[in-house]
Amino acid sequence: ILNVEQSPQSLHVQEGDSTNFTCSFPSSNFYALHWYRWETAKSPEALFVMTLNGDEKKKGRISATLNTKEGYSYLYIKGSQPEDSATYLCASSISGSARQLTFGSGTQLTVLP
Amino acid sequence: DADVTQTPRNRITKTGKRIMLECSQTKGHDRMYWYRQDPGLGLRLIYYSFDVKDINKGEISDGYSVSRQAQAKFSLSLESAIPNQTALYFCATSEGQGAWSNQPQHFGDGTRLSIL
Repeated sequence: ILNVEQSPQSLHVQEGDSTNFTCSFPSSNFYALHWYRWETAKSPEALFVMTLNGDEKKKGRISATLNTKEGYSYLYIKGSQPEDSATYLCASSISGSARQLTFGSGTQLTVLP
Repeated sequence: DADVTQTPRNRITKTGKRIMLECSQTKGHDRMYWYRQDPGLGLRLIYYSFDVKDINKGEISDGYSVSRQAQAKFSLSLESAIPNQTALYFCATSEGQGAWSNQPQHFGDGTRLSIL
């Protein structure tokens, strides 16, 4: 079972601010990194799946980068809006078995109007 | 309509009772998963199934069993519920092509289970 850590645990930002948070994972035998957005009382929704070192993905105002050599991924939100308020989950897997995602405990983002 | 449907959405029951949580999907995915979420912890995998004849234990399978009745249906059972199984349970699906964790997972809305 991998150790996947997310920081910070929670974050409050003002509407319009840009923000970012981190997912750390073991770099040995890295296989894939997932980001999910989870709004309260709803189901987690996939944002990105990343596999290659240096990968950058973008979806609207949200983007993510991946550094597999040092074992971290950043999620960026540009110009935060109240509707971005959610818990952002990352999950990682390793090659070999590559059979299980290990999730971090999430970063809870609150965007204040 | 939701692509991944979990029933019930909420359940309160007593210690020792047998409970079944059901999951059905209309996405046509071969792969289905059951996770549990506890406050302050990440989602933890209980069981997963890559097709109707394939069932695999996850990280925390003790005290749980599953049944894959059809491609679209995957049920989770607690044979004799205990209070530390109180949690939020999620069912998820993913496409069957390619490596297991290259595919995004699609989650249901969750079942909140309380065991008294």
